Amino acid sequence: QKEVEQDPGPLSVPEGAIVSLNCTYSNSAFQYFMWYRQYSRKGPELLMYTYSSGNKEDGRFTAQVDKSSKYISLFIRDSQPSDSATYLCAFLTGRRALTFGSGTRLQVQP
Amino acid sequence: NAGVMQNPRHLVRRRGQEARLRCSPMKGHSHVYWYRQLPEEGLKFMVYLQKENIIDESGMPKERFSAEFPKEGPSILRIQQVVRGDSAAYFCASSPPADSYEQYFGPGTRLTVT
Repeated sequence: QKEVEQDPGPLSVPEGAIVSLNCTYSNSAFQYFMWYRQYSRKGPELLMYTYSSGNKEDGRFTAQVDKSSKYISLFIRDSQPSDSATYLCAFLTGRRALTFGSGTRLQVQP
Repeated sequence: NAGVMQNPRHLVRRRGQEARLRCSPMKGHSHVYWYRQLPEEGLKFMVYLQKENIIDESGMPKERFSAEFPKEGPSILRIQQVVRGDSAAYFCASSPPADSYEQYFGPGTRLTVT
């Protein structure tokens, strides 16, 4: 079983839609949960970072963590064409080596 | 505030040559990480360094790869005797000292081995 499972997509939505991106994980030692956005041929950009179960909101982005189900989500409200990118979930134990999902490619159609 | 800087952005090497990739962390950051992204694969951790110390190199291939973060100057990832399978995007990230676990990535170096 892979340590992190993430649907590769592509996920295509119309502009203004609510987007839901998800990852499941199997490592109970994961304590910190992150979402990165990566545009084509660019470096990953940190979007959200949390270490507890529950919701964290930042503008149009909401990160949700359910440790009991080993499931994390990223919601994007009012999606824009500029949100078209690959979204990577990432996890940390007490060490500092990030474990990444394989990424979900999102396309927001104008 | 400048972000993480990496150079060169693109590097072409012939098989058997050496590749040197450089990373300057964000101002005030003292932790540096290297990751590799192979074509059609996810990002994989390679090594974590602080100034003059390798903290975790559990993701580094056992041979040909080395990394350093000297007291002065950028962090260097060195690949000796490159092979075609080393072709990938190499990303550097940095984080502030102490308890912050947030890692900020540079634009990457794309290495092509011919």
